[in-house]
Amino acid sequence: SQQGEEDPQALSIQEGENATMNCSYKTSINNLQWYRQNSGRGLVHLILIRSNEREKHSGRLRVTLDTSKKSSSLLITASRAADTASYFCATVPVNDYKLSFGAGTTVTVRA
Amino acid sequence: DTGVSQDPRHKITKRGQNVTFRCDPISEHNRLYWYRQTLGQGPEFLTYFQNEAQLEKSRLLSDRFSAERPKGSFSTLEIQRTEQGDSAMYLCASSRDRVTGELFFGEGSRLTVL
Repeated sequence: SQQGEEDPQALSIQEGENATMNCSYKTSINNLQWYRQNSGRGLVHLILIRSNEREKHSGRLRVTLDTSKKSSSLLITASRAADTASYFCATVPVNDYKLSFGAGTTVTVRA
Repeated sequence: DTGVSQDPRHKITKRGQNVTFRCDPISEHNRLYWYRQTLGQGPEFLTYFQNEAQLEKSRLLSDRFSAERPKGSFSTLEIQRTEQGDSAMYLCASSRDRVTGELFFGEGSRLTVL
């Protein structure tokens, strides 16, 4: 079973717009990570946020974490065609070591 | 190239045949994971090695599946008597010996069972 659920399942935006996707999870976590996957390829790590952090930035990425609501959001600002991909949140539950992934959000950036 | 490599990238086989996938992790990484991903879904955990020890197997890993990591280096995932339901992308990932570190994924091995 998968720990996280992303919302929306799919997102289509114009180049230059911002993309926001959300992730909800079920159990207490050590950290939450976001990954990107281009079609037919492996996953690439984007950003990790620890359970005691509330917000983190990396380039055009902004991640928030609300442990009281068991939710996270990923914001991609000023999107580019190259951002077209599937985005997955993954959690490391407390007292565990393996990542559990959600079903992902498919983002399409139109030129 | 010092990333995680997987071989083969694509495998087409007939139902009932055996297949084996190989994963070469990043050399200094102690932890190695196998995940399975079907179309439109996120990766699902299959099994995990720390060095050569297989520490956990998912219930998804039936008796037809076996994984090894001899000498704590490369790993193999073998599927015996393949079924059409085994068709998926098999992903390997490795990480340093930390509880909460990021995973480095290979490009995956896509299996199609006819």
